[in-house]
Amino acid sequence: EDQVTQSPEALRLQEGESSSLNCSYTVSGLRGLFWYRQDPGKGPEFLFTLYSAGEEKEKERLKATLTKKESFLHITAPKPEDSATYLCAVPSNWADSWGKLQFGAGTQVVVTP
Amino acid sequence: DTAVSQTPKYLVTQMGNDKSIKCEQNLGHDTMYWYKQDSKKFLKIMFSYNNKELIINETVPNRFSPKSPDKAHLNLHINSLELGDSAVYFCASTLRGDRVGDYGYTFGSGTRLTVV
Repeated sequence: EDQVTQSPEALRLQEGESSSLNCSYTVSGLRGLFWYRQDPGKGPEFLFTLYSAGEEKEKERLKATLTKKESFLHITAPKPEDSATYLCAVPSNWADSWGKLQFGAGTQVVVTP
Repeated sequence: DTAVSQTPKYLVTQMGNDKSIKCEQNLGHDTMYWYKQDSKKFLKIMFSYNNKELIINETVPNRFSPKSPDKAHLNLHINSLELGDSAVYFCASTLRGDRVGDYGYTFGSGTRLTVV
């Protein structure tokens, strides 16, 4: 069965203290891996899609990388506004049910000044 | 200006009632979804429509019935509400393409349903 596991569950950082979040997956025939950010009381906000091992994407202080078994979201010199829950997701059963995203439980990041 | 809008934002109702949640997108997307986020924050897909055709129907109680009058609208009707239905329900949309991530998935801000 396809699985998406994120670690750690929660991360508390000082402003400027860089760190990485992990998303490991077991999906046959990965078609893409998504990263989302979710703020309290809001819907997930799209950050990146990665398609193949070795691919990297950046957005401001965030950098996502992908290997054959996991993805990392690096937060460089975070600011308090980077506080959010970060979710990764993969589409499963691509051929049978297009666009069915399977989400991990998320990593809750808190950045303190 | 809102890309994916859901109404209502909050819904408090008694067990046994019937309620509906509405979703509309103005992005020109052709595929819409309902996701449920439970108390543990897991997001799970419930339904998906592509151009008004149901394409994903997960193992959801048949008390839940989606309807898509056109590709810009997707509604969710829930009959005989139970305590366990309490959750946040998110609508999302995307444009079906050759690569699933090309156009991203845009989520609404959610409807928090509380059954008492």
